[in-house]
Amino acid sequence: GAVVSQHPSRVICKSGTSVKIECRSLDFQATTMFWYRQFPKQSLMLMATSNEGSKATYEQGVEKDKFLINHASLTLSTLTVTSAHPEDSSFYICSASGGLSGANVLTFGAGSRLTVL
Amino acid sequence: KQEVTQIPAALSVPEGENLVLNCSFTDSAIYNLQWFRQDPGKGLTSLLLIQSSQREQTSGRLNASLDKSSGRSTLYIAASQPGDSATYLCAVNAGNNRKLIWGLGTSLAVNP
Repeated sequence: GAVVSQHPSRVICKSGTSVKIECRSLDFQATTMFWYRQFPKQSLMLMATSNEGSKATYEQGVEKDKFLINHASLTLSTLTVTSAHPEDSSFYICSASGGLSGANVLTFGAGSRLTVL
Repeated sequence: KQEVTQIPAALSVPEGENLVLNCSFTDSAIYNLQWFRQDPGKGLTSLLLIQSSQREQTSGRLNASLDKSSGRSTLYIAASQPGDSATYLCAVNAGNNRKLIWGLGTSLAVNP
């Protein structure tokens, strides 16, 4: 079945630094990838939608200059949290659509826990 | 605006019980509905996906039903086991852009 690999699973960084999270579709070409953020005891919130080769579409309230998304190939999307601050500490999850299951089925990565000190 | 509600928020049952988790949504115009499992600090595992034209899906001890007209879905877990302990999330795909609208989840604890 479709597999999405997300790396790193955990990252701790100092305030003011930038952190990159990778999301890879391992056995299918993902035409669209989605990035979510989840705060403790809250629902997943969609941050942005990225399509290969084009600019990401950000949800309302998400700063595109702070959360840089690059979808350079059909198997890789990256989320860079620039100048991270403690309030950016969260669980970030990516998902990808495509593959044999079709465009309406999303496969999720295992998530990345970001802690900003 | 589509809203997804899950009831109960938390559930604790003894091992072996059959149980039902509920998900309701406000707009019946959906493409599909998915049930996920999330273990603490982990990502999501897709359990069952029901297309809008379907009434139910089954996988092992899990059965999910969909009633679009009433805006409801249930996830039935038979003969629960401690390994079933997790948060169960319901998500509705409300459009062809594949955006998912999420419920807050039901936190399930199955006690040995």
